[in-house]
Amino acid sequence: DTGVSQNPRHKITKRGQNVTFRCDPISEHNRLYWYRQTLGQGPEFLTYFQNEAQLEKSRLLSDRFSAERPKGSFSTLEIQRTEQGDSAMYLCASSPKLGRDRSNEKLFFGSGTQLSVL
Amino acid sequence: AQKITQTQPGMFVQEKEAVTLDCTYDTSDQSYGLFWYKQPSSGEMIFLIYQGSYDEQNATEGRYSLNFQKARKSANLVISASQLGDSAMYFCAMRETLFGNEKLTFGTGTRLTIIP
Repeated sequence: DTGVSQNPRHKITKRGQNVTFRCDPISEHNRLYWYRQTLGQGPEFLTYFQNEAQLEKSRLLSDRFSAERPKGSFSTLEIQRTEQGDSAMYLCASSPKLGRDRSNEKLFFGSGTQLSVL
Repeated sequence: AQKITQTQPGMFVQEKEAVTLDCTYDTSDQSYGLFWYKQPSSGEMIFLIYQGSYDEQNATEGRYSLNFQKARKSANLVISASQLGDSAMYFCAMRETLFGNEKLTFGTGTRLTIIP
């Protein structure tokens, strides 16, 4: 079990530039989540995938944000035309396929990508 | 309205003492799950403990236990015999099971500092 891997760990960019983050989930996990965490706050849900299908997107995910999970394995999160307000920690999590009752589904998180927009 | 409320922004506790971190939640769902995660300075969120809304017993995992009071909608985390390595941010989270609701909703966290 190698855990959830995120790259890069840190990204510094200038306002207006595009950035892309990568997440490699635990190999047998079919669900993948993206969260955003700003200083002093808990993680906020952005989007999630079941296999390659993106099933839910938060209103926080503006049209400058796009996420993909081709082939249901790794995922990428791209932010176009970055703004200073995009500065945050972007966390990826994965979880295994469970039965009908998902209330006990535990998420396994990566260490995140810290984005700083100058 | 806040789904998860953690009223203690920071706590300082002497090593080896027990500590209780508060969490209250708001839901109209009958079936839901409550979670506690630990976030050390490295940034990774580490799962600690889970409590289901229908569980009759309070959850325990080693030094962690969850004081679940359903009528009061509280799910406090108790850490016994605290250690220096327990210093971290602690987040309470909830998953409701209404159809289509797949996400965990987190509170704002409590920063716990263990004093030697």
